[in-house]
Amino acid sequence: GNSVTQMEGPVTLSEEAFLTINCTYTATGYPSLFWYVQYPGEGLQLLLKATKADDKGSNKGFEATYRKETTSFHLEKGSVQVSDSAVYFCALSGPNDYKLSFGAGTTVTVRA
Amino acid sequence: DTAVSQTPKYLVTQMGNDKSIKCEQNLGHDTMYWYKQDSKKFLKIMFSYNNKELIINETVPNRFSPKSPDKAHLNLHINSLELGDSAVYFCASSRTSSGNTIYFGEGSWLTVV
Repeated sequence: GNSVTQMEGPVTLSEEAFLTINCTYTATGYPSLFWYVQYPGEGLQLLLKATKADDKGSNKGFEATYRKETTSFHLEKGSVQVSDSAVYFCALSGPNDYKLSFGAGTTVTVRA
Repeated sequence: DTAVSQTPKYLVTQMGNDKSIKCEQNLGHDTMYWYKQDSKKFLKIMFSYNNKELIINETVPNRFSPKSPDKAHLNLHINSLELGDSAVYFCASSRTSSGNTIYFGEGSWLTVV
């Protein structure tokens, strides 16, 4: 079945540091890949997505590239802010699968 | 306007009670979902409805019963609540096509005491 493995946290960074959260997946065919973010006390928001190999999703300074050869979709941001403190979820939706399978989530805390 | 709205946001109730969480979406989507987030933040799908028909029913106790009166609504009813049901329940919706973004509500924080 489809599954997502993402880097375990928690991750603590200083402001303006570089952030990477690793995400790898297992799926049949060509899934769509997503990063969702959950700010404290809030629901899930789509951060970015990519639907085919080599696509790059980007939003709010975050980027992730769909790498089929390494089955990865790592999330990166070059300079984090305190407001980026949240839980980040990698997720996939298989080609014949209308649900999202989520990774375990990575808690990121950015200190001023 | 909130795209996916669910009520109540917070619910504290005693063991053995029956409670419902309501969900509505105004995005014109035809697929709706319930996800459960446990205390470790892990998210797992519970149910999915497409055009009012149940299409996904994961391993969930039959005390949980979803009801979809129309495409825009998917309610979750829970009978005989147990301590282990304490979690955050997220409603979501999407168009019926793989790869389409799933939009989530703000969550309902259920605490069973």
